[in-house]
Amino acid sequence: GENVEQHPSTLSVQEGDSAVIKCTYSDSASNYFPWYKQELGKRPQLIIDIRSNVGEKKDQRIAVTLNKTAKHFSLHITETQPEDSAVYFCAASPPAWTSGTYKYIFGTGTRLKVLA
Amino acid sequence: NAGVTQTPKFQVLKTGQSMTLQCAQDMNHEYMSWYRQDPGMGLRLIHYSVGAGITDQGEVPNGYNVSRSTTEDFPLRLLSAAPSQTSVYFCASSYSGQGTEAFFGQGTRLTVV
Repeated sequence: GENVEQHPSTLSVQEGDSAVIKCTYSDSASNYFPWYKQELGKRPQLIIDIRSNVGEKKDQRIAVTLNKTAKHFSLHITETQPEDSAVYFCAASPPAWTSGTYKYIFGTGTRLKVLA
Repeated sequence: NAGVTQTPKFQVLKTGQSMTLQCAQDMNHEYMSWYRQDPGMGLRLIHYSVGAGITDQGEVPNGYNVSRSTTEDFPLRLLSAAPSQTSVYFCASSYSGQGTEAFFGQGTRLTVV
């Protein structure tokens, strides 16, 4: 079945450094790739997303890149700050006509710690 | 705008008890879903609905029932709670299930003893 692998599971960086989280998906028909941030004890919230017709998208200090050929996409956070500490989830969304259903397939999450 | 409202926030059940987790959204979203979140396993889909009167199973449906009588509400029922159902549960809604942002409820931390 469809699968999304996410690495690393934990990531510690010094404040001001960059952080990169990588995801690989299995269904080549997937065409929507959101990233969610979950702070401790809170709900996941969308921080950025990308569609399959775009290779890169930026929003201030965060960016997402997509390589459809390799079936992987990455989240880049520059100039990290303590408030970036959270769990980050990637997801892939295949079209209903390929998966037979409507759903997101989530990665297992990356716990990012930004050290002051 | 309340978004997705999920109740209760915490719950302790004894093995064999039943209960219903409530989920309501006020965004007129057609697609609603339930996930469970366990350490190291991410968010796993339990059940989902693409509209009122339509539900389907996700990745881990056993032990759970759902119904969707209205667009707004999507309750999750645990029929006979087991310790393996100890988890954090999230309800989510989106305009459609594919290619649109999912909005999550605040979560329910369930412990089955």
